Amino acid sequence: DAGVIQSPRHEVTEMGQEVTLRCKPISGHDYLFWYRQTMMRGLELLIYFNNNVPIDDSGMPEDRFSAKMPNASFSTLKIQPSEPRDSAVYFCASSGTEGNIQYFGAGTRLSVL
Amino acid sequence: QQPVQSPQAVILREGEDAVINCSSSKALYSVHWYRQKHGEAPVFLMILLKGGEQKGHEKISASFNEKKQQSSLYLTASQLSYSGTYFCGTAFKTSYDKVIFGPGTSLSVIP
Repeated sequence: DAGVIQSPRHEVTEMGQEVTLRCKPISGHDYLFWYRQTMMRGLELLIYFNNNVPIDDSGMPEDRFSAKMPNASFSTLKIQPSEPRDSAVYFCASSGTEGNIQYFGAGTRLSVL
Repeated sequence: QQPVQSPQAVILREGEDAVINCSSSKALYSVHWYRQKHGEAPVFLMILLKGGEQKGHEKISASFNEKKQQSSLYLTASQLSYSGTYFCGTAFKTSYDKVIFGPGTSLSVIP
């Protein structure tokens, strides 16, 4: 398997623009997690899905953030409008039958100018 | 609810040992350990599910004291490749599929 695939790897945008991050989990995994990593706040869980259904979105910072999982092989994290404080590395991870072992994608480095 | 990790950072010479601690204020279901090298994604090391359980991965092992809500990661005879940031992640009995990561411990192994 190719592992968890995230795109784009790098995104540079201007404040106020819409940003969409994409994730393809490992085939057969039924959990998908979105994390944000910054020096100040560490690795924060934003939202996670089980069988395409959002289970806990309590980590989503505000209404500007939204996440969807329309099917088992694709998820998006959208920020609209983006702000400079959203600059971070966003990771997607998936897990399946191995007792909650999470496999992380390579991450998307977002810079909002 | 974020677990507490100590120390924040540690520098070792090759061959030395280190211990990284993780503690929680809430009753734990499981403890997860991950390592992240600079510019890369976190990579799974091990998961501990039962009280007092110990697991090993190469020369890295861990223990989980369910009663004290603590876990420790032991790195013996450290190698240069062990350098990175180590995260413990905790899952609680009320939501065992949700892992909250600690702030991380930066470990640097020097020749």
